[in-house]
Amino acid sequence: ETGVTQTPRHLVMGMTNKKSLKCEQHLGHNAMYWYKQSAKKPLELMFVYNFKEQTENNSVPSRFSPECPNSSHLFLHLHTLQPEDSALYLCASSQDPQTTNYGYTFGSGTRLTVV
Amino acid sequence: AQSVTQLGSHVSVSEGALVLLRCNYSSSVPPYLFWYVQYPNQGLQLLLKYTSAATLVKGINGFEAEFKKSETSFHLTKPSAHMSDAAEYFCAVSFDAGNMLTFGGGTRLMVKP
Repeated sequence: ETGVTQTPRHLVMGMTNKKSLKCEQHLGHNAMYWYKQSAKKPLELMFVYNFKEQTENNSVPSRFSPECPNSSHLFLHLHTLQPEDSALYLCASSQDPQTTNYGYTFGSGTRLTVV
Repeated sequence: AQSVTQLGSHVSVSEGALVLLRCNYSSSVPPYLFWYVQYPNQGLQLLLKYTSAATLVKGINGFEAEFKKSETSFHLTKPSAHMSDAAEYFCAVSFDAGNMLTFGGGTRLMVKP
């Protein structure tokens, strides 16, 4: 158990569906991140939340909508996705962006397939 | 510009052989450096980190890395590869305590019997 839990582990959705990915951490961290990992591509930072406030949106299409109701929970709401959005979506947390010398703790990811 | 580069997207070694995965960074200030490992369909797990203490850092699973400022490198090594070491390895850098981590492109390690 890494301390960062992502659900579901696998998700298959149609292009017209709406679904949500969930991330939960019990490490007392204040910063949470969404990353996209596609085959043969580098890790792509999508969103950063610090103390529940979004501090980074890395030019992500609006069909991805993040939500951070508190420092322990992070959601990624998905709607009208495209097949190229199929990827492993990773959540991570850190104490806060000012202490990245401690590194990030990652969840196991959600494998998303868009059909 | 500050960046991190992993030389070799794929490395193949025989079981029992030395593992060497390369990481170089570009920075005008001393960085914080990390190595992560990712097994198939899993998240990234921290192997080890350098945060300006000892330049030779020991991590989990027998891995270690040495920070060489003159070479701007932080290569990952393991004396004897096991089949279970087959995974993808990511080098990551934070260029000061207030910046986010920047990840390298990853190196896939294959271990042959």
